[in-house]
Amino acid sequence: GQQLNQSPQSMFIQEGEDVSMNCTSSSIFNTWLWYKQDPGEGPVLLIALYKAGELTSNGRLTAQFGITRKDSFLNISASIPSDVGIYFCAGQRRGGADGLTFGKGTHLIIQP
Amino acid sequence: ETGVTQSPTHLIKTRGQQVTLRCSSQSGHNTVSWYQQALGQGPQFIFQYYREEENGRGNFPPRFSGLQFPNYSSELNVNALELDDSALYLCASSLAGAKNIQYFGAGTRLSVL
Repeated sequence: GQQLNQSPQSMFIQEGEDVSMNCTSSSIFNTWLWYKQDPGEGPVLLIALYKAGELTSNGRLTAQFGITRKDSFLNISASIPSDVGIYFCAGQRRGGADGLTFGKGTHLIIQP
Repeated sequence: ETGVTQSPTHLIKTRGQQVTLRCSSQSGHNTVSWYQQALGQGPQFIFQYYREEENGRGNFPPRFSGLQFPNYSSELNVNALELDDSALYLCASSLAGAKNIQYFGAGTRLSVL
């Protein structure tokens, strides 16, 4: 099935560093979402974006909905050990009956 | 804690068998979606149920079927299990409307031997 192009695939960073990851698609989405998944758990919603150009923050996390509606990025500032996990972008079309389309994930690893 | 609960947490089946997975949605949510997540991949949409009817489906064969009950809980049934069906199965609930944000349960890990 279709998946979004998410990069990087993995990141090895030092605690305190800033992190940036992005997601692109060949088709338009009406909503972009960012989720985090820890081992043995389901994805947990971090940020939801509803309008092209929208920039939204949630604590140290900031995400933007691209102007073309075909991309989004997520930034994490001053990373801490509990930020470790897999981050997924997901796109949703209007109405949502065709479900979410996910990226393959960015695996974030933080070295103390 | 999303309020979405799934059972069982783990399951082992053999090829050709049938399996039923269960999901209780978050209070007040009337829509349930099911996803399959293979190891190292993002979740893939299987189908969505709203008002006890399937109202959207991904690229999965008919042996994947589901039900939604009047209390909005849901079941995913998979017949004639294949080795490639081994995956984490995730349920997500949402409230139908303009935003329709989906909240996920912890999943059922299915292993097919």
